[in-house]
Amino acid sequence: GQNIDQPTEMTATEGAIVQINCTYQTSGFNGLFWYQQHAGEAPTFLSYNVLDGLEEKGRFSSFLSRSKGYSYLLLKELQMKDSASYLCAVREGHQAGTALIFGKGTTLSVSS
Amino acid sequence: DAGVIQSPRHEVTEMGQEVTLRCKPISGHDYLFWYRQTMMRGLELLIYFNNNVPIDDSGMPEDRFSAKMPNASFSTLKIQPSEPRDSAVYFCASSLSLSGANVLTFGAGSRLTVL
Repeated sequence: GQNIDQPTEMTATEGAIVQINCTYQTSGFNGLFWYQQHAGEAPTFLSYNVLDGLEEKGRFSSFLSRSKGYSYLLLKELQMKDSASYLCAVREGHQAGTALIFGKGTTLSVSS
Repeated sequence: DAGVIQSPRHEVTEMGQEVTLRCKPISGHDYLFWYRQTMMRGLELLIYFNNNVPIDDSGMPEDRFSAKMPNASFSTLKIQPSEPRDSAVYFCASSLSLSGANVLTFGAGSRLTVL
């Protein structure tokens, strides 16, 4: 089975930095993804980690520790448009061929 | 490419009616997924196909749900009979493969309301 935990809600102000944590317990691990979903829209891909460490992509960074079953998404220089739900997803299995399992998402509200 | 195309975008129906949701994946993508999203349960995987063959349907809630993929460019998710608890947004997604950084591309979703 699988269990992916994220905080339900977070708030922050424009220009700030926010860290969204994700912990997971899955039978096997073959990659972790972060998706962004604005209200009423489809999820869109943000980042991918399969090895331990930090992946940086502009204002967004994602970190993975496989031994701890832990990841975080770091958003810098927050903008109002960053208000959205952020979904952590894990690909289970010891080999390719398993679908993504998603956490319930963290709703981030950015205020001015 | 137009992306993953889903229809209808919105459907309101009465309990007991049959509902059919449709999806056209991105051309060349070998994998197609059906997810359901609700506030309570988040984004749940219902079923996925590889090269038109169902691989894992363990997420399909019950026998009222069925999914088909008759060819590489079309899939349907059918609910018969529908119930109010089926109200949700149903997303179709596709990907090239399940390895590495190959990402899921989602359609815009079909919002289903069962009265």
